[in-house]
Amino acid sequence: KAGVTQTPRYLIKTRGQQVTLSCSPISGHRSVSWYQQTPGQGLQFLFEYFSETQRNKGNFPGRFSGRQFSNSRSEMNVSTLELGDSALYLCASSLVAGRDTGELFFGEGSRLTVL
Amino acid sequence: AQSVTQPDIHITVSEGASLELRCNYSYGATPYLFWYVQSPGQGLQLLLKYFSGDTLVQGIKGFEAEFKRSQSSFNLRKPSVHWSDAAEYFCATSGTYKYIFGTGTRLKVLA
Repeated sequence: KAGVTQTPRYLIKTRGQQVTLSCSPISGHRSVSWYQQTPGQGLQFLFEYFSETQRNKGNFPGRFSGRQFSNSRSEMNVSTLELGDSALYLCASSLVAGRDTGELFFGEGSRLTVL
Repeated sequence: AQSVTQPDIHITVSEGASLELRCNYSYGATPYLFWYVQSPGQGLQLLLKYFSGDTLVQGIKGFEAEFKRSQSSFNLRKPSVHWSDAAEYFCATSGTYKYIFGTGTRLKVLA
């Protein structure tokens, strides 16, 4: 069974640009969540989707957005990039549909560098 | 509000020595608790999880953790550390449609 796949793995952007990251969950998993990991802030929750609906959102500005498609694949977008957006963006999928997230399976992440 | 605290940012142990990584949680009810490991440049891999039942949980790679409600702790242990265990370890609890992570403990293993 294939794991969580994130693309691209690495990317470099300049301030003001926008970026779209993609995540394909494990087959059969309908919950997809995103986390931002930085050395200073650790792992911060961005948002969670289930059956194309956003069920929870973290404390990030509106420049951060996401969506989920009918095949459970998810994308997140960051507009008007800032230097502080440089981070490892991790996607995770889960089989559990309930409020208490079960085991999360993580992808290897997309490393974004903003110059 | 739920929270997870990992008091140790860095820990160094010698290969073959025992290991204990600390994790404290804050939650009114019985939490779902997890330990993940992250090697450099990689995603997170689940080591073990606690949902209910037996308070001593066995995981992969020879790790175990014990849930102690009286101490609000879920410490990770390994009897004999291998050089390949050098990584960052995260304790987490399950919130509403999300995880709440601790800040992580970076483990260094001396040969």
